[in-house]
Formats: sequence, C-alpha cells, structure tokens
Amino acid sequence: LAKTTQPISMDSYEGQEVNITCSHNNIATNDYITWYQQFPSQGPRFIIQGYKTKVTNEVASLFIPADRKSSTLSLPRVSLSDTAVYYCLVGDRSSSASKIIFGSGTRLSIRP
Amino acid sequence: DGGITQSPKYLFRKEGQNVTLSCEQNLNHDAMYWYRQDPGQGLRLIYYSQIVNDFQKGDIAEGYSVSREKKESFPLTVTSAQKNPTAFYLCASKFADSGTYSNQPQHFGDGTRLSIL
Repeated sequence: LAKTTQPISMDSYEGQEVNITCSHNNIATNDYITWYQQFPSQGPRFIIQGYKTKVTNEVASLFIPADRKSSTLSLPRVSLSDTAVYYCLVGDRSSSASKIIFGSGTRLSIRP
Repeated sequence: DGGITQSPKYLFRKEGQNVTLSCEQNLNHDAMYWYRQDPGQGLRLIYYSQIVNDFQKGDIAEGYSVSREKKESFPLTVTSAQKNPTAFYLCASKFADSGTYSNQPQHFGDGTRLSIL
C-alpha cells in the first residue's frame, strides 16, 4: 500500500497562498493522487485529483513532479473558510481491493 | 439532488445494545464504505462493498457488521462486542474504478455521531 506523509498542521493568513506537500515514495504506476478537505462534524469533500504534472480547478492546483514521489496542493488566496483538515491519498490498486487509506491529514488554520 | 444520506445524525447506545446506522445513496455508485473517525484522527476503514451481496472487512471490522442487499443501501450495525463505539461514523460511495488508470473519488455523507449512555 502506498503510504502518505504530510505535515500535521499549518498556519497562514487570509489572502496568502498556501502550499501543502505530501510525500508518497511508494506510489504505484497506476495510482492517482487525490486530495480531500474536511470541516468539523462533516464528511470529507473531494478537492482535486491528478496523475502527473499540474492540475487546476476552480478551488485549487495540484503539482506533481516527474518522479511522482510527492505532490503539492496549492490553495490561492485563502480565506477563513479554508480552515479545515486536508487529506492526501494515493489510490490502492491491489488486486482484491478498491479502498483508499486516509492518514491523519494536515490541519490548516487561517488567521485574519 | 443526488447524494449520500446518513441517519441519524446523533445516536446513543446503551450497554449491551446493538445499533444500526443507515447509509443511502442515489448516485448509482457501485462501491460503498464505512469509516470510523476518532477525535483529532484520520479515517479508519471498517467495511467496504464493491457490489451488491458482497463486502469485505477493513482495518477495524471487529465488533461491526454490514449488509449490502441493495445497491443504494449499506447499513452498519455496531454490536455489543464493540467495546469502544463512541466515534464519528462516515459512509462513502464511489463508482467502480475501470481501466488501468482510473481512481474514482469517494463521495461522503455528513456522518453519524455515536455516543454511549
């Protein structure tokens, strides 16, 4: 299983760009990298997914280097409402399962 | 609106009692999942099901049971054998992965918070 490592917590201020890096040294060839956001007492919400290079949507950008052993979620101009836990996941493509492993995530705190 | 509905939002269990958490989805998703989340922790997989009438144990299945009689429904029973059931329970669903390079994202419900009386 591809394990991910990300910082436990990060702090930033409104209007700043926030970059959260995730390490996944054992990523498999067929695995995608997926990021979720979770607010307290809610289920995680899908943010962005990518396989290589760069992916951008209306919420965030995802940068993946050529070796795919890490990835960086970039949140442009954060606001207080971006305070949440962010999870980096790598798809489990084992032959008998279709499950995704959630780690402890990165707790992002945005200050005024 | 399509989505995943978990009920109830809050649930209390007495000692020795079994309780069942409901999860229904109208997204036509193939796979469904149950996770447990303890305060300040990530999600841990309890059970998952990729097709109707089939399910597999996750990392912490002891003390829990599930059924998948319909594609839309995946109820979780917390049995009296689960000695520490107080947690936030999350249900998720997704389309089946197809092809070599595919990893469909999961969609989550808003959870059920279970406490012990």
